[in-house]
Parts: sequence; C-alpha cells; structure tokens
Amino acid sequence: EAGVAQSPRYKIIEKRQSVAFWCNPISGHATLYWYQQILGQGPKLLIQFQNNGVVDDSQLPKDRFSAERLKGVDSTLKIQPAKLEDSAVYLCASSLSQSTTQYFGPGTRLTVL
Amino acid sequence: AQSVTQLDSQVPVFEEAPVELRCNYSSSVSVYLFWYVQYPNQGLQLLLKYLSGSTLVKGINGFEAEFNKSQTSFHLRKPSVHISDTAEYFCAVRSGNQAGTALIFGKGTTLSVSS
Repeated sequence: EAGVAQSPRYKIIEKRQSVAFWCNPISGHATLYWYQQILGQGPKLLIQFQNNGVVDDSQLPKDRFSAERLKGVDSTLKIQPAKLEDSAVYLCASSLSQSTTQYFGPGTRLTVL
Repeated sequence: AQSVTQLDSQVPVFEEAPVELRCNYSSSVSVYLFWYVQYPNQGLQLLLKYLSGSTLVKGINGFEAEFNKSQTSFHLRKPSVHISDTAEYFCAVRSGNQAGTALIFGKGTTLSVSS
C-alpha cells in the first residue's frame, strides 16, 4: 500500500514570496491533516479536512496561509507572502476517518531567507 | 485544553542498555495516547497507541508503553536499544471523543544510542 506522498521535499524561498505544497493521501482515506513542525518542536495542526470540507482550521494563519482539498483527495497548502518564521517542515497526514490512526508523509522542508 | 510534556529533551544511552522516555499529559476528558518516531529527514511513524483496555501496550521494534491514569503518564520503554533506534520520539494525545481528533504533540525527545 502506497503511503502519503508529498512534494516538493525541500523548498528555499525569500521572504514575501509565495509557495505551495502538495499532498496525496493514502487511497480511501477521508481525513487529511496539515501540520507545521518548527525546528525543536512537535508538529502543530494547521488544518484538518474531512473529504473536501474543513473540520478545523483554528490554528491556520488565514491572512497568509490557505489550503484546499478539491474532490476530497489531493490537497494543496499555500503560503503568500512567506515570512521568516514560516521556516519549518510541513507534514501531511491522512486517516480512514476522524477517529482512526494518522499516517504521515515525509514532509516538505521550507526555508525562508 | 489538552497538553503533552516530554520530560527529557535528550536521552543518550549505550547500545543494549534499557531506555525509558517519559511523557505526561493533561486533559479533562478521556484521551487516546500515541508514540511516534521520526528518523532524520523522514515523516512520523507510529510506534504504538493506547485507546482502551490493557494499560501495557506493545508496539513495533520492541518498544512498549504503560498508560497510568492516576499519574497521567504514558512512558515509553525498551529493554535493550540498538544503534538504529537513534531518532526523535514524539508523544501525542488526542481527545477520546469525536469533538476533537487532531493530535497534540509534545516537543520530542532525541534518543542517541552509541556503541
């Protein structure tokens, strides 16, 4: 069974530029999560989708971050404009439903200069 | 609100020695507890989880953890570690009801195994 796929694996941009990350969850998984992991900290939830609807985006900085999950499968997370403090690893996870085990992708490491 | 405290940021041990990584949580509702491992430049991999039932949970790679409700702890143990166990370990909690399903993570413990 294929795992959660993410791309790109690494991205370096300058502040005020925009960037987008892509996630393809495990086939059949209805729930998709985006986490932000800053160096030296545990992952923090940014947004949770159930199919193509948002369940929780309370910690998403909506003035610069946006995410979508069209057709309830793949998802894209965008940052515009990026700030230095956005440097982090962005992890995508998926699960069969909201109450089952989450499986994580390899992450995208973003460096903002 | 739920929170997780991993009491040790770094744990250095020698190969074949036992290890315990400590985790305490706080929550006003029933919880599910997890331990994840993260190898360099990789995503998180589930080691084990406690949902209900027996308080001693066995996971992959010889790890086990014990849920202690009175101590609000979920410490991870392994009787004999290998060099390959060197990684970052994260304890996480999730609400036991449907209201909130996102994982709340601790800050992580770096396990360094040397020969």
